[in-house]
Amino acid sequence: DAGVIQSPRHEVTEMGQEVTLRCKPISGHNSLFWYRQTMMRGLELLIYFNNNVPIDDSGMPEDRFSAKMPNASFSTLKIQPSEPRDSAVYFCASSVRGPYEQYFGPGTRLTVT
Amino acid sequence: QKEVEQDPGPLSVPEGAIVSLNCTYSNSAFQYFMWYRQYSRKGPELLMYTYSSGNKEDGRFTAQVDKSSKYISLFIRDSQPSDSATYLCAMVGPNTGNQFYFGTGTSLTVIP
Repeated sequence: DAGVIQSPRHEVTEMGQEVTLRCKPISGHNSLFWYRQTMMRGLELLIYFNNNVPIDDSGMPEDRFSAKMPNASFSTLKIQPSEPRDSAVYFCASSVRGPYEQYFGPGTRLTVT
Repeated sequence: QKEVEQDPGPLSVPEGAIVSLNCTYSNSAFQYFMWYRQYSRKGPELLMYTYSSGNKEDGRFTAQVDKSSKYISLFIRDSQPSDSATYLCAMVGPNTGNQFYFGTGTSLTVIP
């Protein structure tokens, strides 16, 4: 079975540009999570969807970040405008049993110069 | 005080050793306790999770929860070089408003 799919795997962009990260959860999973991981701050939850509805977006750092889940098989995380401090690895995870059994994708390594 | 505390290590052990990884937490409402393994440049992988107190065993891995002490552990028996990774604990509770927390991870190296 295919796991969580994320694209692109690597993204290098210049400050001020718009960045869109994509995620396809595991088929049948009804919860989706976006995380950001850095050496300094570890793994941070950005937003959590359940049945395509955002449940908790308190981790979204600021208005430059937005996330959508238009259907059960696709989600996007957009950063506009991007800043160097947004450089991190962004993970998407999905679950069918709530937050205690999440399956992570391979991540998108974002570098903003 | 952080919700979850985890010693970042690094921890280095010889092959075959028993490894003990630990996390402490502050919120007594947590009821589900998870351990994830993350290899370098990969996403975290769920190893196992336990509900409430007690032990759970899966092969060479044993997860232990002590709710009275707010302390959880992951034991790895007969450690192998392939166990070299970062291990993250995570926890969630029914009364934490869908909030769940990850530890910062412990880096483990098993030396052949």
